[in-house]
Amino acid sequence: EVQLVESGGGLVQPGGSLRLSCATSGFTFSSYWMSWVRQAPGKGLDWVANIKQDGSEKYYVDSVKGRFTISRDNAKNSLYLQMNSLRAEDTSVYYCAKIYCAGDCYSGYWYFDLWGRGTLVTVSS
Amino acid sequence: DIQMTQSPSSLSASVGDRVTITCRASQSISSCLNWYQQEPGNAPRLLIYAASSLQSGVPSRFSGSVSGTDFSLTISSLQPEDFATYYCQQTYTMPITFGQGTRLEIK
Repeated sequence: EVQLVESGGGLVQPGGSLRLSCATSGFTFSSYWMSWVRQAPGKGLDWVANIKQDGSEKYYVDSVKGRFTISRDNAKNSLYLQMNSLRAEDTSVYYCAKIYCAGDCYSGYWYFDLWGRGTLVTVSS
Repeated sequence: DIQMTQSPSSLSASVGDRVTITCRASQSISSCLNWYQQEPGNAPRLLIYAASSLQSGVPSRFSGSVSGTDFSLTISSLQPEDFATYYCQQTYTMPITFGQGTRLEIK
């Protein structure tokens, strides 16, 4: 079965750290770009970060640059998000998403074709 | 950053109605626009990619179109399972941005 399963969420104090994991199965993980997307309670979707198949390219939304790090372990079919210096505004459900490129991934023609169920991160004292 | 403005933010409709949701990009994004559906408590689901291509397994009552920087998602005949929130997403350039969402409710 093709699936993504996030873990690692929880309650953390402002300024704290958390590491999210996304275990994947049912597809060749090393062949796909991957992403993290978050959703604050009752709010819309916000893209967080993308990572290339071999981890050589990473992109972040400005609000998390320097605090969050996306990484992957292709041998373990897993995606990670290391979150440091957490703020109240980082409180969200964090989704892991698989990227499908319709042709050249740099053309802009790509989309999230598979999502996990998400893991909730709450930043509060 | 490219701003994606969805309208309306909420919409009430009945089963069998035809509804259209629009998304306007703040600059040209070619056809690098995707539509997702999200039911409460669930992850988003891809409906339409590249502005007008129907994702495999998605009912044909869903369609997408583009005119310049204006994109539309149309549901030709609403079914009970279609009452959800819909988001557009541009993938033309970083940072990737989503519209604010359109909540489709039962009238």
